[in-house]
Amino acid sequence: SAVISQKPSRDICQRGTSLTIQCQVDSQVTMMFWYRQQPGQSLTLIATANQGSEATYESGFVIDKFPISRPNLTFSTLTVSNMSPEDSSIYLCSASGRGANTQYFGPGTRLTVL
Amino acid sequence: GNSVTQMEGPVTLSEEAFLTINCTYTATGYPSLFWYVQYPGEGLQLLLKATKADDKGSNKGFEATYRKETTSFHLEKGSVQVSDSAVYFCALSGGGGATNKLIFGTGTLLAVQP
Repeated sequence: SAVISQKPSRDICQRGTSLTIQCQVDSQVTMMFWYRQQPGQSLTLIATANQGSEATYESGFVIDKFPISRPNLTFSTLTVSNMSPEDSSIYLCSASGRGANTQYFGPGTRLTVL
Repeated sequence: GNSVTQMEGPVTLSEEAFLTINCTYTATGYPSLFWYVQYPGEGLQLLLKATKADDKGSNKGFEATYRKETTSFHLEKGSVQVSDSAVYFCALSGGGGATNKLIFGTGTLLAVQP
């Protein structure tokens, strides 16, 4: 299994600003993902972070709002841009290895937008 | 498309009671099935998984059996503890969808009282 860390663990931000969340994995992994968990809800996949190419976004999520980087096999960032109170959620990073369908999750970043 | 349906919570039990959380799925082919647990204020942890029909996943006293005939993966534990209080998510991957893409149920909140 992979050990995944995220920074920051939580933040309170003002409307209209942007926040970048970092995800670090302790070993090289093939796949990295970003999820959103709105208050009291289940998880929704935002995008798959692809190493060396543009992320693959799910329906309802766009690159201008949620730009993602993945410069190598152990690190990815998600930016939440031009935030509004509706972006208040927990954002989780996950990862899985080559040929593996099991995803391991980071502890999440709890974001509150005022 | 693929989907997961979980019993609604909250589920409130006394310590040492028997737990069942129902999970059924819709998928073409043969998905892999997972239970994840989210303790208060934390990220998701993989609890157990099963990758083919009749497989039984088990961990920490929890069990779930992959039932192809009933498209179910119910979570059970013979004697719950207060420390089991958490949100439990059933999920699937594959089965006609992307192998690495997880589809989550809505989650079931379990509260165990001493």
